[in-house]
Amino acid sequence: AQSVTQPDIHITVSEGASLELRCNYSYGATPYLFWYVQSPGQGLQLLLKYFSGDTLVQGIKGFEAEFKRSQSSFNLRKPSVHWSDAAEYFCAVGLSGGYNKLIFGAGTRLAVHP
Amino acid sequence: NAGVTQTPKFQVLKTGQSMTLQCAQDMNHEYMSWYRQDPGMGLRLIHYSVGAGITDQGEVPNGYNVSRSTTEDFPLRLLSAAPSQTSVYFCASSYDRDDEAFFGQGTRLTVV
Repeated sequence: AQSVTQPDIHITVSEGASLELRCNYSYGATPYLFWYVQSPGQGLQLLLKYFSGDTLVQGIKGFEAEFKRSQSSFNLRKPSVHWSDAAEYFCAVGLSGGYNKLIFGAGTRLAVHP
Repeated sequence: NAGVTQTPKFQVLKTGQSMTLQCAQDMNHEYMSWYRQDPGMGLRLIHYSVGAGITDQGEVPNGYNVSRSTTEDFPLRLLSAAPSQTSVYFCASSYDRDDEAFFGQGTRLTVV
């Protein structure tokens, strides 16, 4: 069955430190992969996506992610975290390709210390 | 251009009551979906639609009905609310399968 695993439920980093959020997926076909961010009480905002091509994708707010097929991973990174990055982050895979049917991970809540 | 609008934002129901969560988009999007978000479980797909008159089930469809009579609206109906349906519900839409999905602000539903 298709699934997305985010191993880290909570992560705390200091402002200015680098960040890596882990995501592993289980999906038989070529995956469509996404990272979303959710601020408290808000809907989800797309950070970046991978459909095909270059395995290192750039997103908004200085985030990037790397697709590694051999590891079934799509980890999210940011070189220097800002206090405004504190939020919950969700990795997702598109079942039928694209955005139509998404399977989400459980999320990683990021706290940023000043 | 309001994007994806969900109403109401908050709702408390008694067990056994029925209600409809509304979702409307003004972007002429063909694809629309309903998700529920529960702590520690991320978002799970309830139902989705690829156009007016076409709907299908997602991961967790039991206890919910949908219909899509217009491109703009995709209401979610709870036939007989149960405490297990206490959740935050999100509607999403996209123009096409490969276009970005936009999410509404959510409806927080409590069933007592």
